[in-house]
Amino acid sequence: DGGITQSPKYLFRKEGQNVTLSCEQNLNHDAMYWYRQDPGQGLRLIYYSQIVNDFQKGDIAEGYSVSREKKESFPLTVTSAQKNPTAFYLCASGGPGMGYNEQFFGPGTRLTVL
Amino acid sequence: KQEVTQIPAALSVPEGENLVLNCSFTDSAIYNLQWFRQDPGKGLTSLLLIQSSQREQTSGRLNASLDKSSGRSTLYIAASQPGDSATYLCAVNPGNTGKLIFGQGTTLQVKP
Repeated sequence: DGGITQSPKYLFRKEGQNVTLSCEQNLNHDAMYWYRQDPGQGLRLIYYSQIVNDFQKGDIAEGYSVSREKKESFPLTVTSAQKNPTAFYLCASGGPGMGYNEQFFGPGTRLTVL
Repeated sequence: KQEVTQIPAALSVPEGENLVLNCSFTDSAIYNLQWFRQDPGKGLTSLLLIQSSQREQTSGRLNASLDKSSGRSTLYIAASQPGDSATYLCAVNPGNTGKLIFGQGTTLQVKP
């Protein structure tokens, strides 16, 4: 069953706490992406990675961090420096190649700050 | 800077009607354009991908066209059904990094 999985589906964060969102794909895609979706603002790119052990900041990277140690995995950490983290987070992957082709999205993680 | 606009923001039609969703972009230098569907609280489902060298793509009742020179794409839905109710997003891929630039979406309601 090929695709992209994200966990957890819902996540609650207390003030000052770091949390990590998981993203895994078995599509053998080189490129992976993290987007944030807020009501009325569309999707905005947080970080992306075109190859293992390399990643780049997107438009709204402040307060977030990522790693890409394996081709299949691209976890996103929301740090305490992110002042307004409540949003719907979507992970995507693209390929073959360096993301020039069709992109596929996971089911999303809804993060709420308590 | 590439900007993507979708009009209308919301659309309500009776079941069975044919409809067109519009997407416009400001920079014609794109590698491809992708149409997605999003149901409430869910992820995005890819509907159609049009490469920059193509004029249109079809999948079932869906047909997407691309006119790079005018910076426009349309998604045509034939014989709409209540199950088509969702938000439809278009996204432009500039190609150098694969970073998608999204429109704000069109929320479609098909009434039985």
